[in-house]
Amino acid sequence: LAKTTQPISMDSYEGQEVNITCSHNNIATNDYITWYQQFPSQGPRFIIQGYKTKVTNEVASLFIPADRKSSTLSLPRVSLSDTAVYYCLVGDSYTGGFKTIFGAGTRLFVKA
Amino acid sequence: DAGVIQSPRHEVTEMGQEVTLRCKPISGHDYLFWYRQTMMRGLELLIYFNNNVPIDDSGMPEDRFSAKMPNASFSTLKIQPSEPRDSAVYFCASSYTGYDTEAFFGQGTRLTVV
Repeated sequence: LAKTTQPISMDSYEGQEVNITCSHNNIATNDYITWYQQFPSQGPRFIIQGYKTKVTNEVASLFIPADRKSSTLSLPRVSLSDTAVYYCLVGDSYTGGFKTIFGAGTRLFVKA
Repeated sequence: DAGVIQSPRHEVTEMGQEVTLRCKPISGHDYLFWYRQTMMRGLELLIYFNNNVPIDDSGMPEDRFSAKMPNASFSTLKIQPSEPRDSAVYFCASSYTGYDTEAFFGQGTRLTVV
């Protein structure tokens, strides 16, 4: 199983850029890296996904180095509403199927 | 599409009773996942289906748990008999393909077993 490791919690202030790094040393060749966001009392919501280098969408950027053993989710100019838990996932593929395993996540708290 | 729909949103039941949680995936999605979330264990994948066929149920905690997907638009997760330690939020999610596309989650069912 491709296990992920990320900080348990982070604090930030409104308007700052937040970078959350995830380690996945055992990532497999076919695995994608996916980040989800979860607010209290809601299901996780997809933020961004990538395989290598850099991916950017309207919400965030994802940086993946050449060895793919880590990835960094970058949230530009966070606001109070970005307070949530952020999960880094690595698709765990195996013959006949796959598993998407959630780790403990990073609890981001944005202060005014 | 209204997204993944789960019912009920909240369920309170007595220990020993049967509980059935329901999920309607997004139309056209061929993968369906059941997760359980608790403070202690986080989000756990219980089982997932591909084209209505259970692919991996290794996350199902014990024989008291069972899941079915009789057709592409409906799935159930049943607990019989229920126990207080089953109290958790149960999420259903669906995706178009597999791990390389996003999964859409429902709002969850908060189960309390007393």
